[in-house]
Amino acid sequence: QKEVEQNSGPLSVPEGAIASLNCTYSDRGSQSFFWYRQYSGKSPELIMFIYSNGDKEDGRFTAQLNKASQYVSLLIRDSQPSDSATYLCAVKRGAGKSTFGDGTTLTVKP
Amino acid sequence: DGGITQSPKYLFRKEGQNVTLSCEQNLNHDAMYWYRQDPGQGLRLIYYSQIVNDFQKGDIAEGYSVSREKKESFPLTVTSAQKNPTAFYLCASSPQSPNEQYFGPGTRLTVT
Repeated sequence: QKEVEQNSGPLSVPEGAIASLNCTYSDRGSQSFFWYRQYSGKSPELIMFIYSNGDKEDGRFTAQLNKASQYVSLLIRDSQPSDSATYLCAVKRGAGKSTFGDGTTLTVKP
Repeated sequence: DGGITQSPKYLFRKEGQNVTLSCEQNLNHDAMYWYRQDPGQGLRLIYYSQIVNDFQKGDIAEGYSVSREKKESFPLTVTSAQKNPTAFYLCASSPQSPNEQYFGPGTRLTVT
């Protein structure tokens, strides 16, 4: 079992819809959770991070964390074609290294 | 401008040669990281450093070496012992808190 698991996709949604990206993790001691976006051929860029159970909103993005279920998700409202990318989930236990999932590829169709 | 720079963007080497990838940051971050990404795959951690003159092996350190003599710099050497060195190499740095990582533009290494 991988430490951080994501559906590889591709996930396809129409423009204007809500895209839902999911991530599960195996280490119950994980404390910090991050979402990154990576366009094809480019390096990852941070979208947002979350530490506490519940929702955290930033513009069109909402991260949801449920530590009891070991589950973190990213919702993208009003999806745009420019949101088409691979989304990476990362999990960290304390200081030190993060563990990344393999990413979910999202395609937003006009 | 604050950020992370990696050079060169593309690098070609012959098999059996060592090659050093540069990574510099002016974000005043304590921690720095090296990742490898193969096509269609996620990020795999090679080495990381949380403080100058100290570094730890990641999940795939064999065939690689690093140094951290300055806070701003974390060069990665890909040695001839690395069996499949062709990949996209990403350097990142992070502050102590909240530990989010900022990535450089990456170096694409091709070894033939």
